[in-house]
Amino acid sequence: EDKVVQSPLSLVVHEGDTVTLNCSYEVTNFRSLLWYKQEKKAPTFLFMLTSSGIEKKSGRLSSILDKKELFSILNITATQTGDSAVYLCAVVGSGTYKYIFGTGTRLKVLA
Amino acid sequence: DVKVTQSSRYLVKRTGEKVFLECVQDMDHENMFWYRQDPGLGLRLIYFSYDVKMKEKGDIPEGYSVSREKKERFSLILESASTNQTSMYLCASSLLGGPSNQPQHFGDGTRLSIL
Repeated sequence: EDKVVQSPLSLVVHEGDTVTLNCSYEVTNFRSLLWYKQEKKAPTFLFMLTSSGIEKKSGRLSSILDKKELFSILNITATQTGDSAVYLCAVVGSGTYKYIFGTGTRLKVLA
Repeated sequence: DVKVTQSSRYLVKRTGEKVFLECVQDMDHENMFWYRQDPGLGLRLIYFSYDVKMKEKGDIPEGYSVSREKKERFSLILESASTNQTSMYLCASSLLGGPSNQPQHFGDGTRLSIL
């Protein structure tokens, strides 16, 4: 059965800290892995990863995929209170329109 | 910017009612999706559609139906609402071209309470 497991479930840090969020997966014929940030409303797209070892970066956020060990990490450096959100990971397998979501990591950044 | 609009942010209905949740996207996306989001369970796919009048069941279609008469609009219907359908409902859309190439864009969600 296809599945996505995120860890930790929740995390509390102080502003300026660096955090690493994990996403491990099992999926038939992996095609891509996506990260989303969800505050109070719609999940917003952060990154899509399809190749191992290639880091994607946007400002203080970065992500990398390891297709051999079947996981991805999302790093946030110099965290700010605005980074407080639930971070969702999703994977897509070949021949399907289904995005399989993890339950998310809830990050709280304290001032 | 892609805009996915869900008709209601909050909705309260009674058991047994027929409930319609509407979703409209303005980017000419072929694919549209309905999820429900529950604590500890993440997002679960109810139905998706890859073209007008086409639909496919997701993981939890029981108790739901969908309608896609126009490309931009995808409706979720609760045929006879029950309390276990109280949830956050999220609509999403994406371009055709395979999900590996196209991220989904989400609406703000409808928090539905069934009393």
